[in-house]
Amino acid sequence: SQQGEEDPQALSIQEGENATMNCSYKTSINNLQWYRQNSGRGLVHLILIRSNEREKHSGRLRVTLDTSKKSSSLLITASRAADTASYFCATDEGSNYQLIWGAGTKLIIKP
Amino acid sequence: NAGVTQTPKFRVLKTGQSMTLLCAQDMNHEYMYWYRQDPGMGLRLIHYSVGEGTTAKGEVPDGYNVSRLKKQNFLLGLESAAPSQTSVYFCASSYGTGYEQYFGPGTRLTVT
Repeated sequence: SQQGEEDPQALSIQEGENATMNCSYKTSINNLQWYRQNSGRGLVHLILIRSNEREKHSGRLRVTLDTSKKSSSLLITASRAADTASYFCATDEGSNYQLIWGAGTKLIIKP
Repeated sequence: NAGVTQTPKFRVLKTGQSMTLLCAQDMNHEYMYWYRQDPGMGLRLIHYSVGEGTTAKGEVPDGYNVSRLKKQNFLLGLESAAPSQTSVYFCASSYGTGYEQYFGPGTRLTVT
């Protein structure tokens, strides 16, 4: 069963604008991860945020985590055409070894 | 470093045929995973391994078997392929639980 759910399912913005994607989950977690998938390719890890962290940055990416609301957001600032991809969040299940994945947000950056 | 590689990249099978997908990683990771990805869905875990000689079932293990005879390799087998197994299969590896996963490029499998 999938735990993470991304919102929106699809997002189309102009190059240069900011893109925000959200992820919600149902049970308590140790960490949450965001991945990017370019069309037809494998997933690439973006950021891992642990349950005791509230915010993390990596270049143009900013991830927030609100454990009280069981939600996370991924912000991409100053978007570029190369950011066109699907973005997935994944959560762990404590002592389990598995990551549970959401269905992803498809982001399209228009030139 | 090649990272995670998968063989083959594409395959077409007829119902009832068998095949093995090979995953190899050169990062000395203990953990390896096999996922399937279907259109409009996230990844679903088929089987995983937490070390050489160990395997465990994931969310959707039926119809698949795996083996981890060497630390760097993780094999996924389909004994009798069914059209429902048409999917893109991804292998991944990680240092451990709670760490990022590194993915291979995927194998696109079609069962007719």
